Order: sequence, then C-alpha cells, then structure tokens
Amino acid sequence: AQKITQTQPGMFVQEKEAVTLDCTYDTSDPSYGLFWYKQPSSGEMIFLIYQGSYDQQNATEGRYSLNFQKARKSANLVISASQLGDSAMYFCAMREVHNTDKLIFGTGTRLQVFP
Amino acid sequence: DTAVSQTPKYLVTQMGNDKSIKCEQNLGHDTMYWYKQDSKKFLKIMFSYNNKELIINETVPNRFSPKSPDKAHLNLHINSLELGDSAVYFCASSPKGGALNTEAFFGQGTRLTVV
Repeated sequence: AQKITQTQPGMFVQEKEAVTLDCTYDTSDPSYGLFWYKQPSSGEMIFLIYQGSYDQQNATEGRYSLNFQKARKSANLVISASQLGDSAMYFCAMREVHNTDKLIFGTGTRLQVFP
Repeated sequence: DTAVSQTPKYLVTQMGNDKSIKCEQNLGHDTMYWYKQDSKKFLKIMFSYNNKELIINETVPNRFSPKSPDKAHLNLHINSLELGDSAVYFCASSPKGGALNTEAFFGQGTRLTVV
C-alpha cells in the first residue's frame, strides 16, 4: 500500500492566487513527521515545510502553510500568492517513528503558475 | 559552500560498464542516503547509512554497492550497468536518523544515462 498519496499529477494556478496541493498518508505509527519538498526544473530538492504529528498548530513558513488534518491523515500544502517561480514539482514525504532512517516520498504534483 | 555535493552531475555510459557516483556532505550529519528518481519523477530510497554503517538496503540489486569511508562521504558504485538504471540519483543527509523532525538535505543529483 502506498504510504504517501498525491492524487494530483498536475495543477495550474494563476499568479497571485492561492493553490492547495493534496497529500494523504498511511501509517499506524503514533508519531511521525511530514515534509514538503519543491523540485524546480533545475532538479534540486528544496525543503519547504515540516509538520509533526503531535504539533498542535498547522505549520507555516512564509507563503507556505500546511493544512494538517490528522484524523483524515492529510497534510495538504497551501501556497498563497503564487509566483511564476513556484512552478515546479512538489513532493510530500513522511518519516515514521519506527523507521526514522528513511524519508518516504509521494509521486509528486507538477504545479504550473501562469501569468 | 555546497552542503551536499555529488559528482558527476551528468554521466552517460554504455551498458555493461561500471561507474561510480561520489557524494560528500560538510554539514556534520550522521545519516546519509541514496535515492533514485525514475523517469516519472518517483523518488525511492535505495540505501541509508548512519555513521558509516548500513541501515537500510531497499532490495536494490547487488550490482549497486554503496561505500561510506567516513560519515561525510557516501559513494555509490554500480556494476554492469543496464538500460533500466538510467535515472537521477540523489545523495542526501540528515543530522541523525533518530529524529522525526529532521529534513533531508539533498545534493543536486546525478543524471545517469545508460545507452
């Protein structure tokens, strides 16, 4: 079974609008960490934001925020005020407490921001 | 000052050859990884090392042999290259594998093309 599911292979958003990228996860661990990474066309992997399973508040980092719904096992990334430079692949990832030595990735969502 | 650097960035080679990819991190991290990103952009962990010791080997063919001479280096040697080995290989590191909230820092990737 997929541990991390990103159901949107591609998303379009107009510049300055907000966009939500979906991520659902599957784990029986009581404790886990959720991450989002950005991969622009240049290929590097850029860490964006982290959410711990016991964090009471949704994580925010600048224009990035995480809509964490633990009961639904979802950790959606919200990008506000989209910019052309946000066009990239976005990956959701998870680290589980029983296996902290690996980061498990979803299949990614390609976001395209148009003027 | 590149945090995680891998060389070469591009590698084109013929089937059957043996090649190596080198990775070094100057972050003082204990844990290093190799990930493979296939043509559909899916990122899958191959190996994880913690302080030079192999922790995870994700059923990778034994033609792939990682070597960690010290905790700052994790090289990947591939024997008898096959067409299906064509992918982007990412090296990454984390402060330590035991902490949930530690993101992985990625190198810029090595695009391997087997012809």
